[in-house]
Amino acid sequence: EVQLVESGGGLIQPGGSLRLSCAASGFAVSSNYMSWVRQAPGKGLEWVSIIYSDGSDLYIGGSTHYADSVKGRFTISRDNSKNTVNLQMNSLRADDTAVYYCARDRHPLGDGYFDLWGRGTLVTVSS
Amino acid sequence: EVVMTQSPATLSVSPGERATLSCRASQNVNTYLAWYQQKPGQAPRLLIFGASTRATGIPARFSGSGSGTEFTLTISSLQSEDFAVYYCQQYHNWPPLTFGGGTKVEIK
Repeated sequence: EVQLVESGGGLIQPGGSLRLSCAASGFAVSSNYMSWVRQAPGKGLEWVSIIYSDGSDLYIGGSTHYADSVKGRFTISRDNSKNTVNLQMNSLRADDTAVYYCARDRHPLGDGYFDLWGRGTLVTVSS
Repeated sequence: EVVMTQSPATLSVSPGERATLSCRASQNVNTYLAWYQQKPGQAPRLLIFGASTRATGIPARFSGSGSGTEFTLTISSLQSEDFAVYYCQQYHNWPPLTFGGGTKVEIK
């Protein structure tokens, strides 16, 4: 079955760190652009970060991008051996509280929209 | 950054009626526009991409139109399972990828 399963969420104090993981099955994360999208309680969707596929252009394969709100604090990475995509979150703030979704780009070379989503993992930043 | 604005915020519709949702982009995004449906406690589901192409398995009662800065999602005859929140998203100028604020379709 093709699916994404996120893990690693929880309650963390402001200033703390957390690492989210997204385990893929039924396809290889190395062959797809993968993103993290978050949703604060009762709010809309906010794109957080993307990592390009290994199959992208020679010069941009594996490239990453971030929303301004997380740039310098979050790092997206991929572990091809485990078929996972990870999000290292440092210097967490209260406004990072959200459900974090892992999402797959519909096109292997990255169109920028998502045909497969995980169920999400809740991150709560509070003292 | 391309700002996406959806209207109305809430749409009250009776089952069997037509629902028309709007999405406006702050700059031209051509037809690089997707629509998603999200039900409470669930992840978003892709409905439409390329402004008007239905994703796999999406019923024909869902249709998308528009280009440039003005887009519409139409649900021709609302079924009980269609009451949800709908988001538009542009993928023309990124990063960042940007979503609209959502339209909640509720039972009238």
